[in-house]
Formats: sequence, C-alpha cells, structure tokens
Amino acid sequence: EVQLVQSGAEVKKPGESLKISCKGSGYSFTSYWIGWVRQMPGKGLEWMGIVNPGDSDTRYSPSFQGQVTISADKSISTAYLQWSSLEASDTAMYFCAKQGGAVTFDSWGQGTLVTVSS
Amino acid sequence: DIVVTQSPDSLAVSLGERATINCKSSQSVLYSSNNKNYLAWFQQKPGQPPKLLIYWASTRESGVPGRFSGSGSGTDFTLTISSLQAEDVAVYYCQQYYRPPYTFGQGTKLEIK
Repeated sequence: EVQLVQSGAEVKKPGESLKISCKGSGYSFTSYWIGWVRQMPGKGLEWMGIVNPGDSDTRYSPSFQGQVTISADKSISTAYLQWSSLEASDTAMYFCAKQGGAVTFDSWGQGTLVTVSS
Repeated sequence: DIVVTQSPDSLAVSLGERATINCKSSQSVLYSSNNKNYLAWFQQKPGQPPKLLIYWASTRESGVPGRFSGSGSGTDFTLTISSLQAEDVAVYYCQQYYRPPYTFGQGTKLEIK
C-alpha cells in the first residue's frame, strides 16, 4: 500500500525557519515525482512545486520560487519543504502528493498544519 | 501559467439527482502526440486531503464509483455525478497537468438541496 506520512503540526514565529517532511513507503520512491500543495484556511489548492527524488531535479510555481525550497533524500525516502524566514501569510495546511503514471497526484499525505504567529 | 476556472462556485443538488461541474482552461491541455487531455478531477471532504477521481479528463481512478464521470477536450471539461449520494458532499477541484505550474481551479462546493 502506498503511504505518504507527513510530519506533525508546527507553530512558529515570524522570521523563524522551518522544514517539514513527507516519508513515502509502499512504492519505488525514486520512480515518481513528489509535489507540495498549499491550502490556506478556508481556501483552495495551490500547486507549489515538485521534486524528482531520483536526481533531485525540482520545478517551482513562479508564485513560490524563491519563497520555499523543495528537496528530497532518497536514502530515507523522504521529501521536504522548507522556509528560511516564515511570514504570517505562510499559515496554511501543506500537503505532499505523489505523481502517478498519469502524471498527476494519485496519492496524498495527511497534511501538515503550519501556523505562523507572533 | 495556464489559468483554470471552474463553474459554478457552489452547487446544491437533491439526492439522486445529477450534478454537473464545469472546468475551463485558458489554453488547450490536449497533447497532440498521444491525444490525451492532461486534466484531472479531485474530491476533498472536510478535514481530509484531496482524492483523485478522474485523470486524462475521463479515466476513473481505481475504486471510484461509476456514478462519477469526466468528459471534454481541449479547453472545456465537465465532471458529472449521475445520481448524487450523501457521501458526495465535498469540494471538487479540476487541475491541469499539461505544463508546470500544474494549476488547480478555484473549487466547487457541492451540497445537498
């Protein structure tokens, strides 16, 4: 069974750094891209970017380029989303998802809630 | 970026009736070399991650009930629920995966009338 298990909820202050994780299991981790999707409170889904765990190639949405870093460590089947300096506007639920053979997200993590507040 | 727009924003349908949600992309998402439309539909229930329902515009994901169907080509697409069940109450999103960023529509909230 394919599973994506994300790290737990985080409460941070503006200006702090953060790295959240997404561990894949039940499939060949290096064979499928992993993506990240933001959902702000009460809002829709926003595609942030994707990483190829096999060679760490990444693609970002222009809206998120330079704001976050997406990476992966294939040795532990884990993808990451990180911020160097959080802002209150980063408060949201963040989902990781695996791209399937049909080139879209066929399996999703449970989500990580990030709250940024002073 | 390819802009994806859904209509309506919300919809109330009686149990057992048909529900139809529309999705329009600002550019064609039909890839001529394989004649596939790079368009997917997701269902999101409160407190849950999204769930893939339809890919290639009309192919049901494994385990998705037959009352869900997708149609359309190029820039105009439709998700149809043939006979609405109570468990179908959710927000539905379409997504183009033709070219990054793989943008989502704004979502359509489906409720019971």
